[in-house]
Amino acid sequence: DAGVIQSPRHEVTEMGQEVTLRCKPISGHDYLFWYRQTMMRGLELLIYFNNNVPIDDSGMPEDRFSAKMPNASFSTLKIQPSEPRDSAVYFCASSLAWLAGSTDTQYFGPGTRLTVL
Amino acid sequence: GEDVEQSLFLSVREGDSSVINCTYTDSSSTYLYWYKQEPGAGLQLLTYIFSNMDMKQDQRLTVLLNKKDKHLSLRIADTQTGDSAIYFCAERRDAGGGNKLTFGTGTQLKVEL
Repeated sequence: DAGVIQSPRHEVTEMGQEVTLRCKPISGHDYLFWYRQTMMRGLELLIYFNNNVPIDDSGMPEDRFSAKMPNASFSTLKIQPSEPRDSAVYFCASSLAWLAGSTDTQYFGPGTRLTVL
Repeated sequence: GEDVEQSLFLSVREGDSSVINCTYTDSSSTYLYWYKQEPGAGLQLLTYIFSNMDMKQDQRLTVLLNKKDKHLSLRIADTQTGDSAIYFCAERRDAGGGNKLTFGTGTQLKVEL
């Protein structure tokens, strides 16, 4: 398997622009996670999906952020409008069966480095 | 506290053992993980330990868990330059924790020749 695929790998945009990050989970994985990594706050969970349904979005910073999962093989994280403080590395991860008591883990993509000028 | 804590930096000589420490927060956490992040890359799972275990060994890696003190450690034997990376511990909070992974701040391991 190719692993979790994210695109683009790098994104530079200007404040106020819309940004869309994309993720393709590992085939067959039912769970998909979006994380943000910054020097100040470390690695934070933004939202996660199970079978394409958002389960917990309590980590989404504000209404400017939205995430969708239209099918089992694709998810997007959108920021509109973007701000300089959104600059971070955004990771997508997937899991086969992230259930309580399951030994499964999360497999991370390479990340998208976002810079908002 | 709410944070999973790790020391920020560790420097060792090639061939020596490295020990990376972590203090987690939730005594009901079921699994504890160690991830490795190389520059410009995502997080790679190294190993995990179930909360009812004290120790787990996997080739050069040894994980020790002290549940009473909520302390987790990762020992890397015969450390190589390729082990230079940031190492994150993470706890899996199930009971009332939203079924989430909470990551530590990361420890940057530098291996010197």
